[in-house]
Amino acid sequence: QVQLVESGGGVVQPGRSLRLSCAASGFTFSSYGMHWVRQAPGKGLEWVAVISYDGSNKYYADSVKGRFTISRDNSKNTLYLQMNSLRAEDTAVYYCAKIESYRGAYDAFDIWGQGTMVTVSS
Amino acid sequence: QLVLTQSPSASASLGASVKLTCTLSSGHSSYAIAWHQQQPEKGPRYLMKLNSDGSHSKGDGIPDRFSGSSSGAERYLTISSLQSEDEADYYCQTWGTGIPAVFGGGTQLTVL
Repeated sequence: QVQLVESGGGVVQPGRSLRLSCAASGFTFSSYGMHWVRQAPGKGLEWVAVISYDGSNKYYADSVKGRFTISRDNSKNTLYLQMNSLRAEDTAVYYCAKIESYRGAYDAFDIWGQGTMVTVSS
Repeated sequence: QLVLTQSPSASASLGASVKLTCTLSSGHSSYAIAWHQQQPEKGPRYLMKLNSDGSHSKGDGIPDRFSGSSSGAERYLTISSLQSEDEADYYCQTWGTGIPAVFGGGTQLTVL
């Protein structure tokens, strides 16, 4: 079935780095734009970053611009989020999400992963 | 600026119906939105995409009890025959030219 599975979360000290992965299955990964969304403890959903289906276009929330990098490997059906210079306020559950439209730019998120927790603490 | 506004909380009785509202900011009343459900300790789940004319398309496996409608800048999610498992947070999401994604603050639904 269509599925997204995140991994790579954990506890990390401020200023350090972490790389999240999102393994996709059940659909043609290379045909869909993908997003990262995060949720701080007890808070709502916050959009983080998007990458186009072919990896040619990437955009970031101002809160992570210059520190986070989104990428994808379509040969491995995997989405990544490289997080550098981590701060306490980056503590959150990180979700990957697929957009609904084939080769579209922005659209509804029709598939979500289960999330991976990132805790930034000394 | 594209903003989505949701009431923080709502409640309704088991077996009853409830209508949740998501309001688009001024100048954006033609935008489509999506509704997502987040049950406690779980990831979000896509419910439906809702257009400005009220037409909507639901995600796979979403029961008929969930429906959507629109009026002007307001987008509604109606849940009928409420069940205990409907107790969750509900988020609306939209997007636009140069705007990858915007979320509303979420509505926490309590089933009494």
